[in-house]
Amino acid sequence: GESVGLHLPTLSVQEGDNSIINCAYSNSASDYFIWYKQESGKGPQFIIDIRSNMDKRQGQRVTVLLNKTVKHLSLQIAATQPGDSAVYFCAENIEEDTGRRALTFGSGTRLQVQP
Amino acid sequence: TAGITQAPTSQILAAGRSMTLRCTQDMRHNAMYWYRQDLGLGIRLIHYSNTAGTTGKGEVPDGYSVSRANTDDFPLTLASAVPSQTSVYFCASSEQGRGTEAFFGQGTRLTVV
Repeated sequence: GESVGLHLPTLSVQEGDNSIINCAYSNSASDYFIWYKQESGKGPQFIIDIRSNMDKRQGQRVTVLLNKTVKHLSLQIAATQPGDSAVYFCAENIEEDTGRRALTFGSGTRLQVQP
Repeated sequence: TAGITQAPTSQILAAGRSMTLRCTQDMRHNAMYWYRQDLGLGIRLIHYSNTAGTTGKGEVPDGYSVSRANTDDFPLTLASAVPSQTSVYFCASSEQGRGTEAFFGQGTRLTVV
């Protein structure tokens, strides 16, 4: 079946550097994508989203890029801080013929920020 | 603001026993979801509900049942627990419609022994 996946399971960066987390998706009908951050012992927390009619969206210190041609999604974190250490998930949202509209998650990337 | 409340936060359950995981939201969201998170398998959808009175099956529904009697509550029941249901369970909710984020609870860590 179609799925959302990630290239790198663990990313280690120095504090202050920029981080880039990548995600490949295979369902071309997906119309909405979200990045979540999950800290240990907590539920996923919304970071930023992007609709399929956009290719870039910026938030505070974060930018999401969407390349529909190659079905690729990335999360860029500027000036990475120790508090950014967590597991990051991309997720896609699609409404299926069954009427189900729910998020399908990638496998996650662990970001480790070195002081 | 409470958002999504799950109970219990953790539980050890004997195999063969039944259990209901509770989930309540105060955001008046139409849609609610149950996911399970397992190392190496990621976050997978168990059941969902687009609106009160309706439910549907997700990717891994076997062994679980849900009900949606009202907007706020979406309990998940394990009728006869098995060790493979050891997992962290997350409840989530969202406004129904195209392109809306889901808000997650803090999770219930369930161990079936």
